[in-house]
Amino acid sequence: EVQLLESGGGLVQPGGSLRLSCAASGFSFSNYGMIWVRQTPGKGLEWVSAIGGSGVTTYYADSVKGRFTISRDNPRNMMYLQMNSLRAEDTAVYYCAKLSEVPSASDYWGQGTLVTVSS
Amino acid sequence: QPVLTQSSSASASLGSSVKLTCTLSSGHSSYIIAWHQQQPGKAPRYLMKIEGSGSYNKGSGVPDRFSGSSSGADRYLTISNLQSEDEADYYCETWDRNTRVFGGGTKLTVL
Repeated sequence: EVQLLESGGGLVQPGGSLRLSCAASGFSFSNYGMIWVRQTPGKGLEWVSAIGGSGVTTYYADSVKGRFTISRDNPRNMMYLQMNSLRAEDTAVYYCAKLSEVPSASDYWGQGTLVTVSS
Repeated sequence: QPVLTQSSSASASLGSSVKLTCTLSSGHSSYIIAWHQQQPGKAPRYLMKIEGSGSYNKGSGVPDRFSGSSSGADRYLTISNLQSEDEADYYCETWDRNTRVFGGGTKLTVL
């Protein structure tokens, strides 16, 4: 059974940093791309970042480019999102999701972790 | 990059059927999309992928009541024999080489 478990969310001041983690199990982790998606309370889904199975290719939404860094540790079945220079508008629930075989939809989601950026 | 347009809300009666629409922007009408369901207070759940041809591929455990179809730039999610647990937000998703987008979501109310 595929399982994704996010952690690392919390309250942080504007300008601060936070690192989110996503623990994966139930599939051959290194064979699949992964993404981060966020959702502001009461609003829709926003794609944040993606990473290929090997970790070499990474992509970012314009809203986080230069501030967030996605990475993965395949031997540990872990994915990360390092978030720097956080802003109030980054406040959201952050989900990690696994990508399917090509064509690559987000076929499994974690339960999410809440990040609140506030002074 | 592609843009996905969804109606903000829809409603249908218990036991009836409903068809939700996701429309791809101009120049992207051949794109594959995915549908996701988000029940209140829960994480999204993948339902299916739909190709421009109308063929679709459902996720594990998705009931037979859920089906997909396509016409031009429109991708549809049809839910038959509506149940109370189908009351949820439904999002479509598509992707390009280096970006991924979601529609604004449709809030489905089961009357």
